[in-house]
Amino acid sequence: GDSVTQMEGPVTLSEEAFLTINCTYTATGYPSLFWYVQYPGEGLQLLLKATKADDKGSNKGFEATYRKETTSFHLEKGSVQVSDSAVYFCALSPYGGATNKLIFGTGTLLAVQP
Amino acid sequence: GAVVSQHPSRVICKSGTSVKIECRSLDFQATTMFWYRQFPKQSLMLMATSNEGSKATYEQGVEKDKFLINHASLTLSTLTVTSAHPEDSSFYICSARGDAGWNTEAFFGQGTRLTVV
Repeated sequence: GDSVTQMEGPVTLSEEAFLTINCTYTATGYPSLFWYVQYPGEGLQLLLKATKADDKGSNKGFEATYRKETTSFHLEKGSVQVSDSAVYFCALSPYGGATNKLIFGTGTLLAVQP
Repeated sequence: GAVVSQHPSRVICKSGTSVKIECRSLDFQATTMFWYRQFPKQSLMLMATSNEGSKATYEQGVEKDKFLINHASLTLSTLTVTSAHPEDSSFYICSARGDAGWNTEAFFGQGTRLTVV
């Protein structure tokens, strides 16, 4: 079945470092792909999304490109800030899915130190 | 973006009592709502999917008689934890999606921290 695999954390970086959080997926057809962010004690917020191959989603300095050939949707940011410390979830929405539910990865905790 | 409001944000209850958590979509009609439970190491567990006016579909291993879900309207779903026990203490999050297709995002509530004492 459809699934999402993302790198285990925690990822600990110094401020202004480059960030990559890997995400790969297994799905039939052409799923839509999402990154969500969860700040401590809160629900999830959509960070960015891409709905077809080679699309690049971007928001708040974060980017991810939908790579169908490698079934990946890696999250990147050129210079992280302390305020980026959060849990990041990669997710997919199956094309034509009967249940309308998103499939989530296990989440990656990012800790940015000043 | 669309707003999903979840209430209460925190609740403490005594063992054996029931707790109701509400999830409202404030500016769109939520065809489907989802309820998640989040464990300490951050992973999200989908508990159930509910569609307005029909019975919820529970994931394997989730007790439907313990976690009662009602999706009475296109803007409101409720999760009732019946006869709560300390092991039910957790962070519960609701999510809602409209009917616009597979390429639209789901919107999440703020979460409810349930502590059963």
